[in-house]
Amino acid sequence: GAGVSQSPSNKVTEKGKDVELRCDPISGHTALYWYRQRLGQGLEFLIYFQGNSAPDKSGLPSDRFSAERTGESVSTLTIQRTQQEDSAVYLCASSFGTGVTEAFFGQGTRLTVV
Amino acid sequence: AQSVAQPEDQVNVAEGNPLTVKCTYSVSGNPYLFWYVQYPNRGLQFLLKYITGDNLVKGSYGFEAEFNKSQTSFHLKKPSALVSDSALYFCAVRDGDQAGTALIFGKGTTLSVSS
Repeated sequence: GAGVSQSPSNKVTEKGKDVELRCDPISGHTALYWYRQRLGQGLEFLIYFQGNSAPDKSGLPSDRFSAERTGESVSTLTIQRTQQEDSAVYLCASSFGTGVTEAFFGQGTRLTVV
Repeated sequence: AQSVAQPEDQVNVAEGNPLTVKCTYSVSGNPYLFWYVQYPNRGLQFLLKYITGDNLVKGSYGFEAEFNKSQTSFHLKKPSALVSDSALYFCAVRDGDQAGTALIFGKGTTLSVSS
């Protein structure tokens, strides 16, 4: 596609429910990143994919968070048993592999846990 | 592991004055450095990057950044600030010598340009 697409753009969920966030990267981009941005805060790294593998999962805050990527394309970030502290904007980015190329960001999914 | 520090939460400058947004980094190998800008209610946009070569890198919207290896810094600069430059700026680093490493961001610096 023309850019990184994330869906939904907004999600309100009740505490304790599971949510699934989707990211469609730019076609041909092998690297995909997930970040979390809490209100007024910086970007918190969550997980990084190279192809369908995740060499770096170090940023996932708890075992309630998981992510997968299939077909070297779409990625889903799943949050189980959501808590209020999970409320944030979840950003996805993609790039042509690692190294010299810059990453392109989607508009994000704003998650609100009530 | 790589890390990035942006020591200033906010930078205030008057329109027409030069601006500097500071960034320091830590990596075990060669740094690949990036600057991004986030305007209100909009996604992050790439400004410029340093991979190798000239220490002064020029990017979008008249911004430039100077790589200083001895000080492990990559400060963002612009000779003459515009009110429209007001936004949140992020510095990011990747360890270029290690495959499979993520792009790590600083916490961001809010730039406010007054007219």
